[in-house]
Amino acid sequence: QVQLQESGPGLVKPSQTLSLTCTVSGGSLSNGDHYWSWIRQSPGKGREWIGYSRYSGSTYYNPSLKSRVTISVDTSKNQFSLNLSSVTAADTAVYYCARYSGSSRWFDPWGQGTLVTVSS
Amino acid sequence: QTVVTQEPSLTVSPGGTVTLTCASSTGAVTSGYYPNWFQQKPGQAPRALIYSTSNKHSWTPARFSGSLLGGKAALTLSGVQPEDEAEYYCLLYYGGVWVFGGGTKLTVL
Repeated sequence: QVQLQESGPGLVKPSQTLSLTCTVSGGSLSNGDHYWSWIRQSPGKGREWIGYSRYSGSTYYNPSLKSRVTISVDTSKNQFSLNLSSVTAADTAVYYCARYSGSSRWFDPWGQGTLVTVSS
Repeated sequence: QTVVTQEPSLTVSPGGTVTLTCASSTGAVTSGYYPNWFQQKPGQAPRALIYSTSNKHSWTPARFSGSLLGGKAALTLSGVQPEDEAEYYCLLYYGGVWVFGGGTKLTVL
């Protein structure tokens, strides 16, 4: 059974880069049908799809965040990561990682989520 | 900006039936929006229930069903159980971008 777990700093200063890692257990990131996704939830903006990436490097980002986001997959570590640059208080949210099936269009499983606060 | 709208809250009695809906600001929701439905309880990770309008995951209880209804995506719970009290949210695909609904808080009372 595939499980996902987010990790990373819970506090980031404004203008810095938010970096999170999602560790995948019980499965491989090399399945060509799967995309490795990041989603966030904030009180002000609700839930927001950030983007996803395949192990091959194909990436798809939300246009609203595209200029600041990078998602990458490391199959050797069974991890994928999120980098969000130039953060502001508006980026304070619970960040979730999830697996996406490109052929069936579903998202599952999800990680438990990790709260990231942007504050000086 | 695309907005996906759900009922903020609904209340249902145990054993009853309730339908949650998911509307798009761009017009009628069709199968091409690949509607997904999720359940989330406090302190837990979201759990997928329905994908591509009406497809269930292997773990989705039979009392949950997805459909298109009156230009919206819909999630119907038949024979509601106390453990169904949770937040439910939908997700729609807009040709390269996924957009979440605001969520419906379902109370079983």
